[in-house]
Amino acid sequence: GAGVSQSPSNKVTEKGKDVELRCDPISGHTALYWYRQSLGQGLEFLIYFQGNSAPDKSGLPSDRFSAERTGGSVSTLTIQRTQQEDSAVYLCASSGVFGTDTQYFGPGTRLTVL
Amino acid sequence: KNEVEQSPQNLTAQEGEFITINCSYSVGISALHWLQQHPGGGIVSLFMLSSGKKKHGRLIATINIQEKHSSLHITASHPRDSAVYICAVSSMDSNYQLIWGAGTKLIIKP
Repeated sequence: GAGVSQSPSNKVTEKGKDVELRCDPISGHTALYWYRQSLGQGLEFLIYFQGNSAPDKSGLPSDRFSAERTGGSVSTLTIQRTQQEDSAVYLCASSGVFGTDTQYFGPGTRLTVL
Repeated sequence: KNEVEQSPQNLTAQEGEFITINCSYSVGISALHWLQQHPGGGIVSLFMLSSGKKKHGRLIATINIQEKHSSLHITASHPRDSAVYICAVSSMDSNYQLIWGAGTKLIIKP
């Protein structure tokens, strides 16, 4: 498909386990963003990748969160030692070049930490 | 005070009504985005604009840079338009970190 895809769509895990969330951006998009949306809350910026530049990690809530982007395409968001407050929908978006380009969102991964 | 404020927070209207959702911001921006989030969480980008007016189908978005204000209009509203509409701005200080409004929950009754 031509859109942003994310997997899994739903993930239920136990407190303390590690999880990996995957994002496949639109082919050719150099910018990739991760956001999360907790229940009833707005979108929270997590991390941003632009091409081969060092990512902006300023939005990551703790050092348990990390992300990488391999080959300038697929990105993985990893949450270590998950906590219940990590439960949220994690959204990935990509855009053509930078900043003011329209961001195209994936369907999200709903993470539930028991 | 939030940097991006939307009004109203909630809006219920009858099918066919003309809908207006407002967004005011207090920072210098490079672009303003309107997005739609349906129940179940999927987010769709509706418009990105930095001046003037854009139209797509029954949706119209306008922006007044001097007044730091944007509006999203829906003509001939339909129950399928029921969703949360979110305004977000790309600030001049950080082009990629969108500053999000709280959203407007719209319900269109048949």
